[in-house]
Amino acid sequence: GQQVMQIPQYQHVQEGEDFTTYCNSSTTLSNIQWYKQRPGGHPVFLIQLVKSGEVKKQKRLTFQFGEAKKNSSLHITATQTTDVGTYFCAGPRNAGNMLTFGGGTRLMVKP
Amino acid sequence: DVKVTQSSRYLVKRTGEKVFLECVQDMDHENMFWYRQDPGLGLRLIYFSYDVKMKEKGDIPEGYSVSREKKERFSLILESASTNQTSMYLCGYGRVSYNEQFFGPGTRLTVL
Repeated sequence: GQQVMQIPQYQHVQEGEDFTTYCNSSTTLSNIQWYKQRPGGHPVFLIQLVKSGEVKKQKRLTFQFGEAKKNSSLHITATQTTDVGTYFCAGPRNAGNMLTFGGGTRLMVKP
Repeated sequence: DVKVTQSSRYLVKRTGEKVFLECVQDMDHENMFWYRQDPGLGLRLIYFSYDVKMKEKGDIPEGYSVSREKKERFSLILESASTNQTSMYLCGYGRVSYNEQFFGPGTRLTVL
């Protein structure tokens, strides 16, 4: 079945350093979504990318969708303590409107 | 904003007990789902539903069943809880047009 993998599983950074998490799908995706889960919270939708090679920015966050629509990345410039949490990518399943989630990357930021 | 509520934030049950987890959304969304979240494994889909009385198995339905008698309510049932069902359970709804998902606060279930 479809698999969505993320690396790294964990990342510790010093505040102010950059951070990137990578997402790879075993199948071509019609779109990819990114979610953030704060410690003790629930996943919250961040963004959806649809087009091949698409790049979107939200302040210090840059999201990319690969040309082959099988991989994606999230890059955070100059991390802050408020960026702490787990970032998940997710792609649509073959049937219906459900998603397959990656394993997540847990970001820890040292002040 | 649509709210999603779950019946408990924390729950402790004993092996063999029947466990009901409830999820309620306060709008008219058709698609609802249940995931479990375990460290390193991400979110794994247990069951989902497209409408009242409809249900579909996700990736890990074994040991679980669901009920959707009303559009706003989607219940997850553990017929006979086992220790390997200790986990965080997340429910929510998905928008049909955009397929982004909205989650409730989660229920952390411990089975002793």
